[in-house]
Amino acid sequence: DGGITQSPKYLFRKEGQNVTLSCEQNLNHDAMYWYRQDPGQGLRLIYYSQIVNDFQKGDIAEGYSVSREKKESFPLTVTSAQKNPTAFYLCATHRGGNQPQHFGDGTRLSIL
Amino acid sequence: AQSVTQPDIHITVSEGASLELRCNYSYGATPYLFWYVQSPGQGLQLLLKYFSGDTLVQGIKGFEAEFKRSQSSFNLRKPSVHWSDAAEYFCAVGTQGAQKLVFGQGTRLTINP
Repeated sequence: DGGITQSPKYLFRKEGQNVTLSCEQNLNHDAMYWYRQDPGQGLRLIYYSQIVNDFQKGDIAEGYSVSREKKESFPLTVTSAQKNPTAFYLCATHRGGNQPQHFGDGTRLSIL
Repeated sequence: AQSVTQPDIHITVSEGASLELRCNYSYGATPYLFWYVQSPGQGLQLLLKYFSGDTLVQGIKGFEAEFKRSQSSFNLRKPSVHWSDAAEYFCAVGTQGAQKLVFGQGTRLTINP
C-alpha cells in the first residue's frame, strides 16, 4: 500500500532539546518537503529536497535541519534554536511535473 | 513574489445549501492552482487542480472550481454541502509546476444541520 508515513503522531519536547520527526515514503517520488502549519497561517515551507543528498531551505528554515540520505526518508530535526516549535508538521512528496504534492498525516509537536 | 489570499477565515452554511470558497492569487506566469481539504488532525487531501485548458475543473466529492484569469481567482464551489464537508480548505498556487507551493491561510467550513 503506497503512501507517506509520519511518526510519531504526537511529540513532546523539553526546553533546550532537539527532536527529530520522521517521514518515510514508498511512492518512489523524488521530491520531499516539510511544512509547518500554525492556526490561521496556512502552510509554510521549511525545507525541501528534490534528490538524494541535496536539499534547499524554504521560507522558515531557521532552527530546523534535515537530511536526505535515502530516497524514501526525509527526517526533520527541530533544534533548540527554534524558539517557538509548537506546531503541526506536515511532510509531502512530489513525483514531478504537473502532478500534485501528496501529504502525510502530520506530527503535532508540543513543548512541555 | 507569488501569493494566495483566501478572504474568508471561517464560513458557516446549512446542510444542503450551496457553497463558494474564494481564492485570489498573485503570480506572474500561468499558474498551477490547487484546492486541498484537511480534516482535523489530518494531512491534506487534493480536491482538484488546474494547469491549463478548460477553466472549469471538476474534483472529488462533488466539488468544482473555476479559473478566472481576469480576476486572478480560483473559487471552489459545491451545489449542495453535506455535514461531512466540514473541514479546512486550502488554496495553493504552484511554481515550477507543482514543485513549490504557496498556500493561502485556509478557510474553515462549518456545516449547520
